[in-house]
Amino acid sequence: DGGITQSPKYLFRKEGQNVTLSCEQNLNHDAMYWYRQDPGQGLRLIYYSQIVNDFQKGDIAEGYSVSREKKESFPLTVTSAQKNPTAFYLCASSISTGAESQHFGDGTRLSIL
Amino acid sequence: RKEVEQDPGPFNVPEGATVAFNCTYSNSASQSFFWYRQDCRKEPKLLMSVYSSGNEDGRFTAQLNRASQYISLLIRDSKLSDSATYLCVVISNDYKLSFGAGTTVTVRA
Repeated sequence: DGGITQSPKYLFRKEGQNVTLSCEQNLNHDAMYWYRQDPGQGLRLIYYSQIVNDFQKGDIAEGYSVSREKKESFPLTVTSAQKNPTAFYLCASSISTGAESQHFGDGTRLSIL
Repeated sequence: RKEVEQDPGPFNVPEGATVAFNCTYSNSASQSFFWYRQDCRKEPKLLMSVYSSGNEDGRFTAQLNRASQYISLLIRDSKLSDSATYLCVVISNDYKLSFGAGTTVTVRA
């Protein structure tokens, strides 16, 4: 079945540690996105990528980094510079960065130890 | 002002009731509108797109009011399984996608 797979489902980070969240899609979508969701808030865009080897900062990119070496993969690294990383992270994809709806992965919950 | 605003609720309704809520957006040039459903601690899933003429999908009706810059979602004959948070999504003319914070609906037996 086609879809988006995020892993791990739950992740714990120690202070000062970088962690990488995985996102893989087999929908042959060009565009991929990373969002963060905090309680009582809407999704906020961290980074997005329209095509392989290209990505753009979203509204809250500070403390995060991404890469897009393959069409199907868009990993997100939460660096030690992100001071409040505890959140629900959602990866999404769409056919392009046009006006289409997005498909979401199951999400990764990141917590600080 | 937030780009997309929703009444957080919660809307507590009995089974079989009708519930409706709105989502306002600030960018008059917005071009595409969607309602997503998000269950607790799960990912958002597309519920329906919102078309200019209004559209219906079973018990769900979505409408767009461009003059007043809001979209609405109406749920008829509510089921227990309709309990969820409903997210409004607006795409601007430069393809920027904005999410509302969500409206929580709880349907009780």
